[in-house]
Amino acid sequence: DAGVIQSPRHEVTEMGQEVTLRCKPISGHNSLFWYRQTMMRGLELLIYFNNNVPIDDSGMPEDRFSAKMPNASFSTLKIQPSEPRDSAVYFCASSGRQSGAEAFFGQGTRLTVV
Amino acid sequence: AQSVTQLGSHVSVSEGALVLLRCNYSSSVPPYLFWYVQYPNQGLQLLLKYTSAATLVKGINGFEAEFKKSETSFHLTKPSAHMSDAAEYFCAVSGVDDKIIFGKGTRLHILP
Repeated sequence: DAGVIQSPRHEVTEMGQEVTLRCKPISGHNSLFWYRQTMMRGLELLIYFNNNVPIDDSGMPEDRFSAKMPNASFSTLKIQPSEPRDSAVYFCASSGRQSGAEAFFGQGTRLTVV
Repeated sequence: AQSVTQLGSHVSVSEGALVLLRCNYSSSVPPYLFWYVQYPNQGLQLLLKYTSAATLVKGINGFEAEFKKSETSFHLTKPSAHMSDAAEYFCAVSGVDDKIIFGKGTRLHILP
């Protein structure tokens, strides 16, 4: 398996624009996580899906952020409109079905909002 | 709710010296615990995990961690540091809901 695949790797956008980050989890994994990493706040869990259903979105910072998982092999994180404070590295991770399964991370998307 | 506290955002050790990175957790149920490593401009990769089978867990690259329930700790150690160990290390916890929560990370510096 190629691992968790995220795209794009880098994104530079202007304030106010819509940004869509994409993730393909490892085949057969049933949990998917979106994390945001910044120097100030570390690695924050934004949202967590299980079997394509959002289970916990309490980490989503505000209504400008939304995430979907239309099927087991694809998820998106959308920011609309984007703001400079959204600049961060966004990671997608997936994990398997057994309890205590570890998360496998993608390479991340570095988002810069200018 | 689960949480993790990593003591020390930066730790420096000399090459060949003992590495000790501290992690304390909070969980209302018996936890699953993880240590991850992140090299610059890369994602996180698993070093080791505790899933209640044995309290002393051995991982990759010579790292190990010991689960101590009485101290709610899961500290990461390596007997002899190598320059290639310089990276950021994250402790994480999950419970019955499989949600994985990370600590803020500890950056390990290796001094020649």
